[in-house]
Amino acid sequence: AQSVTQPDIHITVSEGASLELRCNYSYGATPYLFWYVQSPGQGLQLLLKYFSGDTLVQGIKGFEAEFKRSQSSFNLRKPSVHWSDAAEYFCAVGRAGGTSYGKLTFGQGTILTVHP
Amino acid sequence: EPEVTQTPSHQVTQMGQEVILRCVPISNHLYFYWYRQILGQKVEFLVSFYNNEISEKSEIFDDQFSVERPDGSNFTLKIRSTKLEDSAMYFCASSGQQGEAFFGQGTRLTVV
Repeated sequence: AQSVTQPDIHITVSEGASLELRCNYSYGATPYLFWYVQSPGQGLQLLLKYFSGDTLVQGIKGFEAEFKRSQSSFNLRKPSVHWSDAAEYFCAVGRAGGTSYGKLTFGQGTILTVHP
Repeated sequence: EPEVTQTPSHQVTQMGQEVILRCVPISNHLYFYWYRQILGQKVEFLVSFYNNEISEKSEIFDDQFSVERPDGSNFTLKIRSTKLEDSAMYFCASSGQQGEAFFGQGTRLTVV
């Protein structure tokens, strides 16, 4: 069965500092990987996705993530964090084909706090 | 930008009552989903729906749950007899032929 682990429940960074949120997955085939962000009272917004090809993917709001098959990881990064990035971040894994793209297994989320 | 919309944003119901959560997926999407997130827990898959039938469902999606696409635009989740443990945020999502799922804002269901 597939699973996703986000080892950090809560991360605090200063505004302007760099950020890396960790995600490890367990999946028997080629995974389709996603990062979503949830601001308070909001839904889940897709930041970026990895389906195939270049293992470094760019997303919205200046985020990027790198797929490392050997480490079963898909860590999210941002070079300089803004106060508006404070939110909860979810890593998720899915598989190819039809409804399977949207049948996701989520990690437990990482809450990001940004200090001014 | 097209988006998935869910109504109501918050629903309070008494235990044992039926509730219907409503969703309008993105118009050209073909695949539809419901997820739930119990407070403090992971977002969990409930069900996927394609071509007017359920494609997959999780073990959470038991006989008290049902989904329907009553017309060309709405997608609903019905819980027949709510329990306290059904209190959660319910998310609807939709996806196209090849691509990622887009989520709605969620409906917070509180069972009292």
